[in-house]
Amino acid sequence: ELKVEQNPLFLSMQEGKNYTIYCNYSTTSDRLYWYRQDPGKSLESLFVLLSNGAVKQEGRLMASLDTKARLSTLHITAAVHDLSATYFCAVVGYNNNDMRFGAGTRLTVKP
Amino acid sequence: NAGVTQTPKFQVLKTGQSMTLQCAQDMNHNSMYWYRQDPGMGLRLIYYSASEGTTDKGEVPNGYNVSRLNKREFSLRLESAAPSQTSVYFCASSPVEIRTTEAFFGQGTRLTVV
Repeated sequence: ELKVEQNPLFLSMQEGKNYTIYCNYSTTSDRLYWYRQDPGKSLESLFVLLSNGAVKQEGRLMASLDTKARLSTLHITAAVHDLSATYFCAVVGYNNNDMRFGAGTRLTVKP
Repeated sequence: NAGVTQTPKFQVLKTGQSMTLQCAQDMNHNSMYWYRQDPGMGLRLIYYSASEGTTDKGEVPNGYNVSRLNKREFSLRLESAAPSQTSVYFCASSPVEIRTTEAFFGQGTRLTVV
């Protein structure tokens, strides 16, 4: 069964600092997503990662995928307060449409 | 620009009551999903439907049933609500055959069972 683990679960950062969120999964995947959720809101798509070595960047966020290690990372560069949110990775299992989520990382960026 | 529409947005039930959460998407997606979100536990998959006419259990299916009425609609039914089913429920849809496109989520249904 596909399992997804994220860490850390909570992350408090100072503005301007860098940090990385990790997403590990247990079985072969077809693709991996990163989502952002603001309190009381729905999920907003950030990145879709399909293949080994894929790297995508949007502003201060960069996501990468290592399918051999079954690991994705979301790197935050020079954090700003607007990045405060909960970040989820989600993995779609290979050969089925099952999509499982990590527990989420609650990010707080302090001035 | 409707996307994924869930109804209702809020609901309070008494223990033992039944209800159906409705979800509809207008993007012609094949796959649809129901998740529940509880604090500190991320989104847990209840049921999913890979295509019209098929449904499969996810991680936490007990106490729920689903119907994929047609390609657009995927409903979630609670036959006898329990306080443990108090949660926020999200419906999602995905064009699985287009691997570069993410899943889209509804705005959620906040359900309280008292």
